[in-house]
Amino acid sequence: SQQGEEDPQALSIQEGENATMNCSYKTSINNLQWYRQNSGRGLVHLILIRSNEREKHSGRLRVTLDTSKKSSSLLITASRAADTASYFCATGWTGNQFYFGTGTSLTVIP
Amino acid sequence: GAVVSQHPSRVICKSGTSVKIECRSLDFQATTMFWYRQFPKQSLMLMATSNEGSKATYEQGVEKDKFLINHASLTLSTLTVTSAHPEDSSFYICSVRGASGELFFGEGSRLTVL
Repeated sequence: SQQGEEDPQALSIQEGENATMNCSYKTSINNLQWYRQNSGRGLVHLILIRSNEREKHSGRLRVTLDTSKKSSSLLITASRAADTASYFCATGWTGNQFYFGTGTSLTVIP
Repeated sequence: GAVVSQHPSRVICKSGTSVKIECRSLDFQATTMFWYRQFPKQSLMLMATSNEGSKATYEQGVEKDKFLINHASLTLSTLTVTSAHPEDSSFYICSVRGASGELFFGEGSRLTVL
């Protein structure tokens, strides 16, 4: 399966703490993307990291990619209650197709 | 990024009826759109790739006669769930691919089949 896997499945932290979630995948990729999904809503694109990049930042988000280990991590610093959502990684490999991981459910407690 | 509109957001229907879900790319000409299905607390499953002016490409295990996809224009793709049954109840989401490779999603359509 091309699907990625996020770890942990669920994460609960206090507001202001950092949240780290990981994604592992099995096949070669062109890029890896992270998305956020609020309950009952569509997904929102957060950040894209290409296979030749090792780290990328966007605001409070930091993404790393280790292609040798086939893994990526998403760090959200200084978390807020509004960050409560499910987070998915998606691996882009051939053509237009993207496959999503199983997701990490993040709860930020005010 | 692209703005994608999906309609209806919620639909309830009786078993045996057909339901059409529309996905519109409001500010982006999309030759390709993607249809996903999501079960509660689970990941998105790619169902099919909708190609403007040609047949959709279905993922393995997805019944093309059950889930009819039409992509008649660069801004509209439709998914019709034919002869719906309770097991078809799910959250259906469409997306388009942006110029940088990212996906832009609609808000999703929750289908409940009674």
